[in-house]
Amino acid sequence: DTAVSQTPKYLVTQMGNDKSIKCEQNLGHDTMYWYKQDSKKFLKIMFSYNNKELIINETVPNRFSPKSPDKAHLNLHINSLELGDSAVYFCASSQVAGLGDTQYFGPGTRLTVL
Amino acid sequence: GENVEQHPSTLSVQEGDSAVIKCTYSDSASNYFPWYKQELGKGPQLIIDIRSNVGEKKDQRIAVTLNKTAKHFSLHITETQPEDSAVYFCAASKGFNKFYFGSGTKLNVKP
Repeated sequence: DTAVSQTPKYLVTQMGNDKSIKCEQNLGHDTMYWYKQDSKKFLKIMFSYNNKELIINETVPNRFSPKSPDKAHLNLHINSLELGDSAVYFCASSQVAGLGDTQYFGPGTRLTVL
Repeated sequence: GENVEQHPSTLSVQEGDSAVIKCTYSDSASNYFPWYKQELGKGPQLIIDIRSNVGEKKDQRIAVTLNKTAKHFSLHITETQPEDSAVYFCAASKGFNKFYFGSGTKLNVKP
């Protein structure tokens, strides 16, 4: 069984379109995250939710809107896609929003904006 | 905010040799330091971590050392094997699971 799953794995789209990436975890964790990994492999946190509540919101354009319908799901919706949004997006989860709890990452969604 | 620097960006070693990857951090309040391994096409996976009240931790062929005074920590892999080839990330955190990642080290173990 996959602990943290993301769909789709690949997403190719045109500039200006709106797209969503879905994430689900079956670990019973309370906290979920979205990370962006750019072409140089640099990983940066975008958002974090704890029990459906937003707890971390880094400097991310408001074209990006996370939504957590329940604590097992955290989706990422992106409006008006731009070339610079091309990256691999990783979802992750951890047990609690405390110090030093292991984060489990999904397999990633490679977004390509043409 | 925290700034984590990681070196080297690429590292090639012969199978059986040791590999060392180093990270420095800027925020003295950071107190948790995990290391992740990312294989091609996969998400990062935690391989070892260390907290600020410990100077060294080992897990079989992998060890991590932490120097709080100098604000640096290192990953040591002994007896490297081809399956150790991957990108390795260090990270630092001071709470609320907000992690700052290093830029990654691509390790190539030549058979």
